[in-house]
Amino acid sequence: QPVLTQSSSASASPGSSVKLTCTLSSGHSSYTIAWHQQQPGKAPRFLMKVEGNGSHTKGTGVPDRFSGSSSGADRYLTIANLQSEDEGDYYCETWDNDTWLFGGGTKLTVL
Amino acid sequence: QVQLVESGGGVVQPGRSLRLSCAASGFTFRNYGMHWVRQAPGKGLEWVAFISYDGRNKYHAASVQGRFTISRDDSRNTLYLQMSSLSAEDTALYYCAKHQSGYGHVNWGQGTLVTVSS
Repeated sequence: QPVLTQSSSASASPGSSVKLTCTLSSGHSSYTIAWHQQQPGKAPRFLMKVEGNGSHTKGTGVPDRFSGSSSGADRYLTIANLQSEDEGDYYCETWDNDTWLFGGGTKLTVL
Repeated sequence: QVQLVESGGGVVQPGRSLRLSCAASGFTFRNYGMHWVRQAPGKGLEWVAFISYDGRNKYHAASVQGRFTISRDDSRNTLYLQMSSLSAEDTALYYCAKHQSGYGHVNWGQGTLVTVSS
């Protein structure tokens, strides 16, 4: 089964950009992943899926500031023009053999 | 719009059982697979179970296999999670989520809290 690795934390200033990384384990570099945002005290929200070829498809109502990309086993979520409401936890997710797996999450602080 | 409303959570003693429900609206429930995902206090997301759109295929995480059972009632647009032999490690906020093939969990409910404590 794949394993997803995320940095535990990240920080950036309002108005700047941040790039979060989700790394797939060896042998699973072609897998599609999904990104979810969880604002403090709220339920998760689907942001987008990112495929191994770098294409991404966003969920309904996700701002243009959010984009996805890929390089090898790494899947990225880039947030441009950071806003205070972007602060929260970001999880990547993948699936294999009827099992779904989440990364440990990255806590994003908007300074 | 898609709405998922979980219920049935509460405080339960170790070893006892509990059934969670998730009422779905805003989409054709019978056409979609559904998931349960949980989040222990201060921790990350953990997938719990999946049921296919027609109810024929059910998959459970190893951590709950044999103790939890996912089911659905399309006539009521409702998803269920029957939990038994509960332990403190099952204490978590339980979310239901709508599945979309190739996308994972695309819509989430607000969650229902299960606390296992004597």
